[in-house]
Amino acid sequence: GAVVSQHPSWVICKSGTSVKIECRSLDFQATTMFWYRQFPKQSLMLMATSNEGSKATYEQGVEKDKFLINHASLTLSTLTVTSAHPEDSSFYICSAREVGGSEAFFGQGTRLTVV
Amino acid sequence: QKEVEQNSGPLSVPEGAIASLNCTYSDRGSQSFFWYRQYSGKSPELIMFIYSNGDKEDGRFTAQLNKASQYVSLLIRDSQPSDSATYLCAVRGGSYIPTFGRGTSLIVHP
Repeated sequence: GAVVSQHPSWVICKSGTSVKIECRSLDFQATTMFWYRQFPKQSLMLMATSNEGSKATYEQGVEKDKFLINHASLTLSTLTVTSAHPEDSSFYICSAREVGGSEAFFGQGTRLTVV
Repeated sequence: QKEVEQNSGPLSVPEGAIASLNCTYSDRGSQSFFWYRQYSGKSPELIMFIYSNGDKEDGRFTAQLNKASQYVSLLIRDSQPSDSATYLCAVRGGSYIPTFGRGTSLIVHP
């Protein structure tokens, strides 16, 4: 099956710093990548949808200036959490949809802890 | 607003039994239905998808879809302790953006 690699798998950062999370499709080209956030015992909440070469579409309530998404190539999308605060601590998961495909495949997720 | 409802559980079944997980959705225009398994601290992994009314079987897993009732279920036969996880139902319409339920926690005890 299609492989999506997300890095890092976990990160601890100080409040006020920025953290970048990478999402790579390893064996396919991804037209669309999705970024989710999941709090403990909650469902996946879609943050934004990014299409290669265009601006990301953010869901209502998600601050686009705080969560910067770049999808510069068909195999890489990045999410940067700027000026992180403890309330940003969560499990961030990306998924990628292959060009012409219907299913999206998940990365391993990134556990972010802001102290 | 599109909604996907699941009983959060936990659903507890003995090893070897059939586990039945249920999901209802609000959008009648939904076209694709997915079941994901998520172990604690891990990312979801796709188990089954179903597009048409009826049953779809894959090994020990059977997905059942009833669009008239807006209901989709997942049956796990011969449940094993390794099946203990949270099962997420996801529903997708014409776009490629799925809506996820909150998940049902399944515990299979020896």
